[in-house]
Amino acid sequence: KQEVTQIPAALSVPEGENLVLNCSFTDSAIYNLQWFRQDPGKGLTSLLLIQSSQREQTSGRLNASLDKSSGRSTLYIAASQPGDSATYLCAAGFDYKLSFGAGTTVTVRA
Amino acid sequence: NAGVMQNPRHLVRRRGQEARLRCSPMKGHSHVYWYRQLPEEGLKFMVYLQKENIIDESGMPKERFSAEFPKEGPSILRIQQVVRGDSAAYFCASSRDRGRDEKLFFGSGTQLSVL
Repeated sequence: KQEVTQIPAALSVPEGENLVLNCSFTDSAIYNLQWFRQDPGKGLTSLLLIQSSQREQTSGRLNASLDKSSGRSTLYIAASQPGDSATYLCAAGFDYKLSFGAGTTVTVRA
Repeated sequence: NAGVMQNPRHLVRRRGQEARLRCSPMKGHSHVYWYRQLPEEGLKFMVYLQKENIIDESGMPKERFSAEFPKEGPSILRIQQVVRGDSAAYFCASSRDRGRDEKLFFGSGTQLSVL
């Protein structure tokens, strides 16, 4: 059974600082690793999807890395802004099923 | 090009009543997934449906819960005789196909509160 853990559970940083969010998973037999953003009262927005054969994906200020052998993924957000405040979820994908972590709630202070 | 639509956004039920949650997938998507998010926990897979077929319901409780995705109309997640422990956010997602790296698009969820 896949277990996904996200550390820390919450993070507060001043605007402009870089963010580092960690995700670990127990079963390395994954198809992909995905990062989502969840805003209060809203659905999940897909940020990045890293295929199992890839090491990283980048989109704008976001960069996610994947190390399957150690069961880890890291999401980096450069030069954080107040608009980045949200809960970030990582999910390990196997076929059609996603196993989610509990999320890291980020607050970026202006 | 509307996204995944879920309604209602909030649903309040008393213990013993029935809850019906609806999900309309994105246009062109025929694969629907339901996830449940309990307070302070990650989303948990419940069920995967294609039009008129349940593909995998391994994450759904055996009793009181059922799901359908008819040929016409939205997918329905039905919870009979609700209990307080059913209070959670229920999210629906859809995809165009079932593939190794197929992206899932999520709705805004239905927050179910059982009094």
